[in-house]
Amino acid sequence: GENVEQHPSTLSVQEGDSAVIKCTYSDSASNYFPWYKQELGKRPQLIIDIRSNVGEKKDQRIAVTLNKTAKHFSLHITETQPEDSAVYFCPNTGNQFYFGTGTSLTVIP
Amino acid sequence: DTAVSQTPKYLVTQMGNDKSIKCEQNLGHDTMYWYKQDSKKFLKIMFSYNNKELIINETVPNRFSPKSPDKAHLNLHINSLELGDSAVYFCASSQRDTSGYTFGSGTRLTVV
Repeated sequence: GENVEQHPSTLSVQEGDSAVIKCTYSDSASNYFPWYKQELGKRPQLIIDIRSNVGEKKDQRIAVTLNKTAKHFSLHITETQPEDSAVYFCPNTGNQFYFGTGTSLTVIP
Repeated sequence: DTAVSQTPKYLVTQMGNDKSIKCEQNLGHDTMYWYKQDSKKFLKIMFSYNNKELIINETVPNRFSPKSPDKAHLNLHINSLELGDSAVYFCASSQRDTSGYTFGSGTRLTVV
């Protein structure tokens, strides 16, 4: 069900700074943790994901970290750029992905 | 070449009408979905469907019905449209036991 909490709901950072979005989940059986990015007027797109047997994954300026003990996973964006401005989702995964409202990130030039 | 395609992209219609949105995927995925995104960006699952089961979000009115002629298509039919149905509707697909979703470009429905 809808048992993932995402924080913050909105985030503003200066260009070049880092941004971190955190999601907390409750189902210990969860084993797949994706992050989606939705730019204004566009579709959500998978940008990075991690499975429960891995603690961290990086792809250029973005990374996802997983803390299974604390049941949270985070998206890290370094050297933010204006094109990183978007809504980011960490859906609760299961039979169906529950997305919610995500985090609205604004990168200020 | 598009992986998940939806038509139409925009749909403006009057209250009370019946309309359909079409979705096709060429990824060979076994499961397809419909999501509704409201003006506050809340993205809510409506249905998921593969050739074995249809899972319906219990909050979806029965005026909404998915129709799947084959594994590559999942259309959304809406009866008796209401003002509150105005939203962006996204189709998506996935291979159930592997990884993430691929979304279509969305259909912006406006009910007047």
